[in-house]
Amino acid sequence: DAKTTQPTSMDCAEGRAANLPCNHSTISGNEYVYWYRQIHSQGPQYIIHGLKNNETNEMASLIITEDRKSSTLILPHATLRDTAVYYCIVRAHNAGNMLTFGGGTRLMVKP
Amino acid sequence: GAGVSQSPSNKVTEKGKDVELRCDPISGHTALYWYRQSLGQGLEFLIYFQGNSAPDKSGLPSDRFSAERTGGSVSTLTIQRTQQEDSAVYLCASSLRLGQVTNEQFFGPGTRLTVL
Repeated sequence: DAKTTQPTSMDCAEGRAANLPCNHSTISGNEYVYWYRQIHSQGPQYIIHGLKNNETNEMASLIITEDRKSSTLILPHATLRDTAVYYCIVRAHNAGNMLTFGGGTRLMVKP
Repeated sequence: GAGVSQSPSNKVTEKGKDVELRCDPISGHTALYWYRQSLGQGLEFLIYFQGNSAPDKSGLPSDRFSAERTGGSVSTLTIQRTQQEDSAVYLCASSLRLGQVTNEQFFGPGTRLTVL
C-alpha cells in the first residue's frame, strides 16, 4: 500500500467546514483512497472512498486532485461529535483485506 | 440492523493466564478480521477469515495467539499465557466479501485487555 502523510492535528469551529488533507504522492493507478475515522473509545468507522472522481455521501465529500497525489476530506458542517482521529489510506482493490492505519489527523471540533 | 458486537468490553487478567475474546460479526458478512490497537497507536492486523477458506494468520505476533471461527459466524480470539505487552484494545471487523470494490469494514467496539 502507498504511504500517506497527514497533519498530526487540526482544530475546527463547530458549524464550519473541516478540510482534512492527505498526501499520497506514490499512489498507483489501481489504488483507491479510503477515509476512516475513530472516535475516542470506539472502533474505526468507514467514511468514504474514491479512485479519481470526487465523491460525496451523507457523511462527507472527498476531493481528489487530478494527478491523484493528494486528497481532501471535507466535513461540510462539523459538529462536536465529529471530534476524532481521521485516517487516510490508499490501497489496491486486490491488496488483501486487512487495513493498515498510520497516525492519522486528530480533529478537534470546538464550540 | 445490528452491528459487530464484541465481548467482554473490558478484561483484566494476570500475567500467564489465558483469555478468550469473542466477536459476533454482522449477519451475512463472510469476512471477519481481528486487529489490535495499543494506546495511541495505529491498527495492527492479526488474522482474517473469509468463508470456508483457510484463515490468513500472517499478522499473529506469536504462537500464543490463535483464533477460530465456528460455522462461518462467531469468532473467538484466544491468547495463551498472556504477557503485559499483550495489553491493548482488540478490535473485530466484518465485511460482506473479499475483493469487493467498496471494501468497507465494519468494526465492533473492541475489547480492552489489561494484563497485570
